[in-house]
Amino acid sequence: DVKVTQSSRYLVKRTGEKVFLECVQDMDHENMFWYRQDPGLGLRLIYFSYDVKMKEKGDIPEGYSVSREKKERFSLILESASTNQTSMYLCASSWGTGQALMYFGPGTRLTVT
Amino acid sequence: QQQVKQSPQSLIVQKGGISIINCAYENTAFDYFPWYQQFPGKGPALLIAIRPDVSEKKEGRFTISFNKSAKQFSLHIMDSQPGDSATYFCAAQSGGSYIPTFGRGTSLIVHP
Repeated sequence: DVKVTQSSRYLVKRTGEKVFLECVQDMDHENMFWYRQDPGLGLRLIYFSYDVKMKEKGDIPEGYSVSREKKERFSLILESASTNQTSMYLCASSWGTGQALMYFGPGTRLTVT
Repeated sequence: QQQVKQSPQSLIVQKGGISIINCAYENTAFDYFPWYQQFPGKGPALLIAIRPDVSEKKEGRFTISFNKSAKQFSLHIMDSQPGDSATYFCAAQSGGSYIPTFGRGTSLIVHP
């Protein structure tokens, strides 16, 4: 069974902390994505990567960075967490372009206090 | 700019009723239209998808209707069940793109 796993389901951090969210996929997918989900705003793309060590900004990259050192792993980094980054974070992966099925992880609910 | 507009934002239906969610798009390069279903505490998962060479696709109680000239597509859930209660996202993607464009989602509640 294909799987995208995220390191934490729930995370509570303090303002100013550096936060790492980890995502691992076991499907040998080329593409990996980080989204944040907020009520009424849907899924907003933060960053994506179409190959190892490659990254592209999405719609809302400010305050975030990413790392992809291995094909199966894609990390989202909040350099200095702020309260407005309290959200649900979803990782996803897919293969190729066009009609590519996207597989999502279960999400990490991050609260920044 | 919202390239895929989804409505309604929330929907309440009685058990056995028909749930209808609508999406409209602007980019004529889109050629793949998936719907994702997200249960509470889970990530979205592909429910059903359609390409613009067909006007309708049915899988069980779920049907996508597609109107290419109007640039609209919709999800119909027949005989809606409480277990269908979830958030539904429409999406659109073009052949050369890595990234689908998602609608903002519809929260569906089916009352028993």
